[in-house]
Amino acid sequence: DQQVKQNSPSLSVQEGRISILNCDYTNSMFDYFLWYKKYPAEGPTFLISISSIKDKNEDGRFTVFLNKSAKHLSLHIVPSQPGDSAVYFCAVPAGNMLTFGGGTRLMVKP
Amino acid sequence: NAGVTQTPKFRVLKTGQSMTLLCAQDMNHEYMYWYRQDPGMGLRLIHYSVGEGTTAKGEVPDGYNVSRLKKQNFLLGLESAAPSQTSVYFCASASGSWADTQYFGPGTRLTVL
Repeated sequence: DQQVKQNSPSLSVQEGRISILNCDYTNSMFDYFLWYKKYPAEGPTFLISISSIKDKNEDGRFTVFLNKSAKHLSLHIVPSQPGDSAVYFCAVPAGNMLTFGGGTRLMVKP
Repeated sequence: NAGVTQTPKFRVLKTGQSMTLLCAQDMNHEYMYWYRQDPGMGLRLIHYSVGEGTTAKGEVPDGYNVSRLKKQNFLLGLESAAPSQTSVYFCASASGSWADTQYFGPGTRLTVL
């Protein structure tokens, strides 16, 4: 039973447009959320995080939104660039481990 | 500053063979982790360590063993490889708690025939 789900395995957007990646979670007690980005043949790298005391956190072109009542978070990339093409994972500290969603492959077309 | 390194990068095993994956970090991190990544399943924690000489089970520990004899190294062993262990294995390290940023190695692609 996955505690963190990314229901879209892939997403394709045009360069310059907005990319929206979604993540749903099951436990309302979760209070911290992270996004990692992974390029092929490389390990994941930390991208951005958000605490449950906030509903938005912004870092340059990347913004994460948290909707606690819906148990949903989303990552917005504006404007999208071809170099953003990667797999994006949402993750949450749960118990004694970091639990990852299944990932969404983003393809940004020039 | 190499960060987190993993050896080997690729390996092919036959069922029943054994091997050890080596992870090394040069950031003086206390926490180290081993994950496996399978298509559509994200990363799943195999074992982790919160300091030299300590290890603990993660979400999918069966068939694997680990050791943390030195702070900078975390070894993952497969005693008798099975095809179900075909996966990409990632090592990571972090300075502190689960919420701290984890730094990942480049991965080891293992195929068990």
